[in-house]
Amino acid sequence: GIQVEQSPPDLILQEGANSTLRCNFSDSVNNLQWFHQNPWGQLINLFYIPSGTKQNGRLSATTVATERYSLLYISSSQTTDSGVYFCAARHYNQGGKLIFGQGTELSVKP
Amino acid sequence: KAGVTQTPRYLIKTRGQQVTLSCSPISGHRSVSWYQQTPGQGLQFLFEYFSETQRNKGNFPGRFSGRQFSNSRSEMNVSTLELGDSALYLCASSSTPAPGSTDTQYFGPGTRLTVL
Repeated sequence: GIQVEQSPPDLILQEGANSTLRCNFSDSVNNLQWFHQNPWGQLINLFYIPSGTKQNGRLSATTVATERYSLLYISSSQTTDSGVYFCAARHYNQGGKLIFGQGTELSVKP
Repeated sequence: KAGVTQTPRYLIKTRGQQVTLSCSPISGHRSVSWYQQTPGQGLQFLFEYFSETQRNKGNFPGRFSGRQFSNSRSEMNVSTLELGDSALYLCASSSTPAPGSTDTQYFGPGTRLTVL
């Protein structure tokens, strides 16, 4: 099956800084999602982005499917951005099975 | 539209007992998947159901089972609980389960299971 790797594993920022989180995947995928896990454990959908670029406020994401990576950009970070960010990918013949990376734990300091 | 709901939210059991967790998908969604999250193994796929049929299964022992009802609600059961089964169990729903589909999965708040 596909493998998903995220980097960096940990990131500490000052409020207002920008950051880039990376997700590499080992095979062709037809689903790539980014999530933010809140302190209570719920996975909040950020982007569904198997290819191309999307933006939502201070967050944007780009997936280059041919090169098998995705990037999540966070601009002007706020303390509420703290938490763990996951990317998850699905191979085209795997139905609903998402493979998750190990996550990037982001800490934004005031 | 209401999101994915899971009950109970917290559960404490002892080794050897069994447990049943419930998941109600978003209205109109027919696919339900289950995931286990532990600090050591991260988020791992358990199984996926569509139209009351298991479509996909992860690499978990037979103590882990599930089912889906005609209203798309799903339950998962873990028998003969072990300490290592302590985890956050997350349920996700999507509207299109077919291979090759590109639908977004939406997650519920999870059930945190502690096995003593």
